[in-house]
Amino acid sequence: DIQMTQSPSTLSASIGDRVTITCRASQSISSWLAWYQQKPGKAPRLLIYKASSLESGVPSRFSGSGSGTEFTLTISSLQPDDFATYYCQQYNSYSRTFGQGTKVEIK
Amino acid sequence: EVQLLESGGGLVQPGGSLRLSCAASGFTFSSYAMTWVRQAPGKGLEWVSAISGSGDSTSYADSVKGRSTISRDNSRNTLFLQMNSLRAEDTAIYYCAKDPGDSIWYFDYWGQGTLVTVSS
Repeated sequence: DIQMTQSPSTLSASIGDRVTITCRASQSISSWLAWYQQKPGKAPRLLIYKASSLESGVPSRFSGSGSGTEFTLTISSLQPDDFATYYCQQYNSYSRTFGQGTKVEIK
Repeated sequence: EVQLLESGGGLVQPGGSLRLSCAASGFTFSSYAMTWVRQAPGKGLEWVSAISGSGDSTSYADSVKGRSTISRDNSRNTLFLQMNSLRAEDTAIYYCAKDPGDSIWYFDYWGQGTLVTVSS
């Protein structure tokens, strides 16, 4: 199975900060990567698919990049609504694995 | 508007069975693959099982393979997950999620989840 490793596990940031989350795959997944945001008690929300394509309705401050084994999710200017946990997910292989999550907290 | 509404969760004893349902509306159900994803309390997301739009193709995580069966009734716009031989580690919120196409395998819409608790 392909393993997905996110870093950091927790991130403390302030409103207006530029935030970057990294996701590494244990083998190449081309660009078959999605990013989700999850708030407490809520279902995940799709942000990015195919590594860098922004889902409709998602603010443009969110962006994704990368290919192969290394990917990043960037929030260009952190807003109050962005404090949440973020997950990457590969969909290259039979088992569609998620990263362990990155919690973005208020500094 | 796409809506996914899970049901069927609850408290079950170890070794017991449960059938989860996900009622879909707002899209042509048979045209889209569907997936179950679970989340244990305080933990991350785990892909569980998936089914193609026609229902001809299914796949399972190793953690549930042999104990679970995914199915769908396209005439009723409903997705199912039959879970047998339940274990404490199956305790989780179970989400159904919609594929953006048929067998693309990321998820553009999610239900609100149904809680399964396996305990004696």
